[in-house]
Order: sequence, then structure tokens, then C-alpha cells
Amino acid sequence: KNEVEQSPQNLTAQEGEFITINCSYSVGISALHWLQQHPGGGIVSLFMLSSGKKKHGRLIATINIQEKHSSLHITASHPRDSAVYICAVKWETSGSRLTFGEGTQLTVNP
Amino acid sequence: NAGVMQNPRHLVRRRGQEARLRCSPMKGHSHVYWYRQLPEEGLKFMVYLQKENIIDESGMPKERFSAEFPKEGPSILRIQQVVRGDSAAYFCASSFGTGGPETQYFGPGTRLLVL
Repeated sequence: KNEVEQSPQNLTAQEGEFITINCSYSVGISALHWLQQHPGGGIVSLFMLSSGKKKHGRLIATINIQEKHSSLHITASHPRDSAVYICAVKWETSGSRLTFGEGTQLTVNP
Repeated sequence: NAGVMQNPRHLVRRRGQEARLRCSPMKGHSHVYWYRQLPEEGLKFMVYLQKENIIDESGMPKERFSAEFPKEGPSILRIQQVVRGDSAAYFCASSFGTGGPETQYFGPGTRLLVL
């Protein structure tokens, strides 16, 4: 069964802390997405990766294709980073459909 | 450059009524995806459409649900004879359709509540 697993499910941090959210998947993929869902429900696409590493502001995403694992890092976290972070993959054999992890609820306290 | 538009943002229906959810993709995008997020659950794929074609509907419930993306106008997700279990957030996403992996841009979602 093709699965996407995220850890941790919930994460509470103090402002300024370095945060890591992990995503593992079961079989080969053609791309992995990191999404952010705000408390109001809107979804923003943060990164799409098929190899290596990408950086945007304080966010860094890495992927290890051999180990079937990706991480999302947030440096110098801020309360406005509080949101649900979702990993989604496009399997090699499933066309364009995305399969989503359950999400990581991040709360950053001031 | 407007993003993906969805309307209505909130929709209340009584059991047995029909719900029509609309999605206008970003300008230049010809591919549309519909996803459902049930309360306290993760996002699940429903259907993938190109203009006038359904490409992948493997995530659609077998009955009562249908989707279209006509040559002109928005994509429509239609739910007939709604039941309480249909209450969820329905998100639409769009992409250019380059043939390879590409970013999908999400709309704000339609929150459907079935009374």
C-alpha cells in the first residue's frame, strides 16, 4: 500500500527555535510537496522537490530519494509559523494525483 | 494575477439537496484537481480533470458525485442528494499541465455543511 507518514503529529516550540518536520513514504515518487494550512483553512504550496534541497526565506526542504524521506526545517521560528504542515507525494505510477500525509500541527509560542 | 477561485466559500444544504461547488483555475492553467478534507482527517484526492476531459476519477465516490471542467467556465463538483457524511472542506487546485511534476496551486476551499 502506498503510504505517506509524517512525524511528529503535534509540535510545540518557543519563538526562535529551529524546527524539523519529517515525512517518509513507501515507494518511488516523481515529486514531493510541502504544504502549509493556516488556521483559517487555506492551503499554500511551500515547496515541490524531486531531489536535493530548496530554500525560501526561513524555510528549507530536503529530500533523500534513496531513503524515501524528506524534511522541512524552519529556522528562527515565529508565532506566525503556527499552522498545519502537510507532506504530499506524487507516486511514480499514479499520474498527477497527490497522496497526503496526516499533517503536523505546529504551534510556536511567543 | 488572481489565484485559484472557489465559490461559494461556505455552503449549507439539507439532506437530500444538491450541492454545486465551483472552481476557477489560475489564468493559463488547464488542469484542475479536487480534494476533500473530512473533519479531523487529512486531504484525499477525488478527481483530476483537464478541459472537457476527466483524467483520473479514482478518488470519487461511486454514487452521487460528479465533476466536469467545460471548455468555457469553471470546473464544477456536483454532489446529489447530500448526506451528513458529505460535510467537509472541498479544495480545488490547478496547474499548467506541462506533463511533468509541477506545483499545484490551491483555492481557499468550500466548506460544505449538511444539516
